[in-house]
Amino acid sequence: SQQGEEDPQALSIQEGENATMNCSYKTSINNLQWYRQNSGRGLVHLILIRSNEREKHSGRLRVTLDTSKKSSSLLITASRAADTASYFCATRGNTPLVFGKGTRLSVIA
Amino acid sequence: KAGVTQTPRYLIKTRGQQVTLSCSPISGHRSVSWYQQTPGQGLQFLFEYFSETQRNKGNFPGRFSGRQFSNSRSEMNVSTLELGDSALYLCASSGEGYEKLFFGSGTQLSVL
Repeated sequence: SQQGEEDPQALSIQEGENATMNCSYKTSINNLQWYRQNSGRGLVHLILIRSNEREKHSGRLRVTLDTSKKSSSLLITASRAADTASYFCATRGNTPLVFGKGTRLSVIA
Repeated sequence: KAGVTQTPRYLIKTRGQQVTLSCSPISGHRSVSWYQQTPGQGLQFLFEYFSETQRNKGNFPGRFSGRQFSNSRSEMNVSTLELGDSALYLCASSGEGYEKLFFGSGTQLSVL
């Protein structure tokens, strides 16, 4: 069963714009992770944020975590056509990593 | 380091057959997880192995089984295939700390 729910399901933006994706989850977690998947391929780990952290940066990525609201957001700044992919949040509590259904991001050049 | 290797990349089977998928983790990684990905259900957890022991199992029927060998390589088997088993099967390994997963490219299984 899905723990995380991403919002929106699909997002289309112009190159150079920022893209924001949100994730909500249901139970307590140890950490929350974001992954990227290019069409039909394996997932690639982007960033991990622990339950005691509120914000984390990695290059053009910024992740926030609000454990009181059980939600996270992923911001990709200055997006590029190469950022076109599906993005998944995944949560880890006392269970194996559980994934949401993802946000499909299209960046138009 | 070489990444996670899954074989075969594509597979076509017919209903009632069985199939075995293979996964070689990143060298030194002792944990291997399997996921099924479909357009309707998204990524569903199948199994997790650590040092040849199944540590967790997802909510799949007994037709789905797996194992891990002493070299950490893993296989999963699906018997009596059904049309609904058509999916991308993803294997992932993790190392010390067991936090983030490194995924293979997957095996695309089509059941006709």
